[in-house]
Amino acid sequence: GAVVSQHPSRVICKSGTSVKIECRSLDFQATTMFWYRQFPKQSLMLMATSNEGSKATYEQGVEKDKFLINHASLTLSTLTVTSAHPEDSSFYICSASLGDYTFGSGTRLTVV
Amino acid sequence: DAKTTQPPSMDCAEGRAANLPCNHSTISGNEYVYWYRQIHSQGPQYIIHGLKNNETNEMASLIITEDRKSSTLILPHATLRDTAVYYCIVRETNSGYALNFGKGTSLLVTP
Repeated sequence: GAVVSQHPSRVICKSGTSVKIECRSLDFQATTMFWYRQFPKQSLMLMATSNEGSKATYEQGVEKDKFLINHASLTLSTLTVTSAHPEDSSFYICSASLGDYTFGSGTRLTVV
Repeated sequence: DAKTTQPPSMDCAEGRAANLPCNHSTISGNEYVYWYRQIHSQGPQYIIHGLKNNETNEMASLIITEDRKSSTLILPHATLRDTAVYYCIVRETNSGYALNFGKGTSLLVTP
């Protein structure tokens, strides 16, 4: 079946620095990928839709200048959390669709 | 825009069948019922989906009522590794839009 690889699985960074998270579709091409954020004991919240070759579409309340999304190829989308603060600490998950939706294993971001 | 309603939590004894209900009374004719689960600190995992007929695969069975306003996910022989949050989602297939997750049902399988 379709596989989505997400890296890194966990990262700790200092407040004010930037962190890049990669999401790759391993055995299929994904013109669209999705980025979610999940806080403890809460459900997944859609942050943005990443479109290959064009600008991402952000959900209401998500700062596009803070969460930079790049989808430069059909198999790779990246999410960069810029100037990270402790409140950005969360579980970030990407997803791509090949008929059914496949999810990455998630990235646990801790900002200290 | 929660289109589904699920109980927040359920318990099930190991080896017994786990029956997880979902109400989706506003489902439209071209919307499928999808089930995903999320084990702690992992990405969601696809389980099964269906339109109106009952479906079965190696993981579970999906029973959809004739009026399609509710469904039940059945794990026939629950194991401890089935402890997870189970999400019922209605969605047009191949719509190109993201899946929107509700709160799901937290299933605890006990020894």
